[in-house]
Amino acid sequence: QMQLQESGPGLVKPSGTLSLTCTVSGDSINGYYWSWIRQPPGKGLEWIGHFYYGGSPDYNPSLKRRVTISGDPSKNQLSLQMTSVTTADAALYYCARGLYGGSHLDGFHIWGQGTMVTVSS
Amino acid sequence: QSLLTQPPSVSGTPGQRVAISCSGSNSNIGRASVSWYQHLPGAAPKLLIYRSDQRPSGVPDRFSGSTSGTSASLAISGLRSEDESDYYCASWDDRLSAWVFGGGTNLTVL
Repeated sequence: QMQLQESGPGLVKPSGTLSLTCTVSGDSINGYYWSWIRQPPGKGLEWIGHFYYGGSPDYNPSLKRRVTISGDPSKNQLSLQMTSVTTADAALYYCARGLYGGSHLDGFHIWGQGTMVTVSS
Repeated sequence: QSLLTQPPSVSGTPGQRVAISCSGSNSNIGRASVSWYQHLPGAAPKLLIYRSDQRPSGVPDRFSGSTSGTSASLAISGLRSEDESDYYCASWDDRLSAWVFGGGTNLTVL
């Protein structure tokens, strides 16, 4: 049974860089689309972007200039970097997985529990 | 403002059938598949429907999805108290090359 665990600093300073890791256990990251999704307090879900090993990532146009998503099969990890953060980036951040061998249209089948990020000086 | 529009809230009584709508456009629902998620506070979102009408294993057949043109709908039959949750639709938007979510619908079981 694949499990996803997000981790990273819970507190980031304004204008700083947010760096999160999603560690995958139970299967390889190869063959799946991997997404980062966030939920600001009291608000809805927002897709940040996705990664498929061997392909080019896609990003939410509203975040594209500040976001990088990558994967390391040797560590079975996904990473998210977001630069120039503001208080609007404070949110619960999730990593999520698509279907094995599927397309980017298959949705988000398995989710991690999420990690909360606060932006404050 | 979300590109996919959901009602903020719906309600029903136990045993009833309720439907949650999701309105989009020709660049998302009208062209790509829809997925639906149940999100309980403090828990990870759970996939209920993908590819508009497909249920992952383990999701009861009380949950069903459908699309018509640029709109989608999630139906829940035999409503139970444990169905009380937030529900989100999502679709791939071809114009943005990005996933877009609806604003979410809070379901109350009276």
